[in-house]
Amino acid sequence: NAGVTQTPKFRVLKTGQSMTLLCAQDMNHEYMYWYRQDPGMGLRLIHYSVGEGTTAKGEVPDGYNVSRLKKQNFLLGLESAAPSQTSVYFCATRDKGIRPQHFGDGTRLSIL
Amino acid sequence: GQNIDQPTEMTATEGAIVQINCTYQTSGFNGLFWYQQHAGEAPTFLSYNVLDGLEEKGRFSSFLSRSKGYSYLLLKELQMKDSASYLCAVRVNNQGGKLIFGQGTELSVKP
Repeated sequence: NAGVTQTPKFRVLKTGQSMTLLCAQDMNHEYMYWYRQDPGMGLRLIHYSVGEGTTAKGEVPDGYNVSRLKKQNFLLGLESAAPSQTSVYFCATRDKGIRPQHFGDGTRLSIL
Repeated sequence: GQNIDQPTEMTATEGAIVQINCTYQTSGFNGLFWYQQHAGEAPTFLSYNVLDGLEEKGRFSSFLSRSKGYSYLLLKELQMKDSASYLCAVRVNNQGGKLIFGQGTELSVKP
């Protein structure tokens, strides 16, 4: 049982490049979230999904897009990477009801 | 607006008890969650409160007072491995159950 798996774990990009971060879960959870974590800022929500085929904006959505074509996968895209997007990105999932979110191990992204 | 405050750093001694406070001002409150995060790792769930009172889970307990916008996490019998960041997060209504996180409290446990 892998739980929440994020790929890749590390990546270095140049300004202007694009990439997609993948979050895969095997817990059959309806809800999925993408956060970024920066020093002194805490975890901030980028986008979230309440079910297959749905997405919604969080606190800091600018510069990111997401898709949830399959229930088990939540993709986070950077169309044109900027140095301000250097961060650690965490995916989380949650079951229905007032349940805790379960986090993946994170993706460490550096943009030069 | 949404605001969550917790101390930036705390230090405690192995074997002792430490209390980490969290105050919040949010609209649509629907629960308060505590997570532990070791350096370079993912946050892991510790405890949550929806109603007022104390929730106990082994060495960890969490308390909530909704009228005061206040919660604390109590760690007993501290161990060196408890050195980590502790994140307070508020769940809000009608937004996919999203969590709003505080900046975290970095706890150092000394021998």
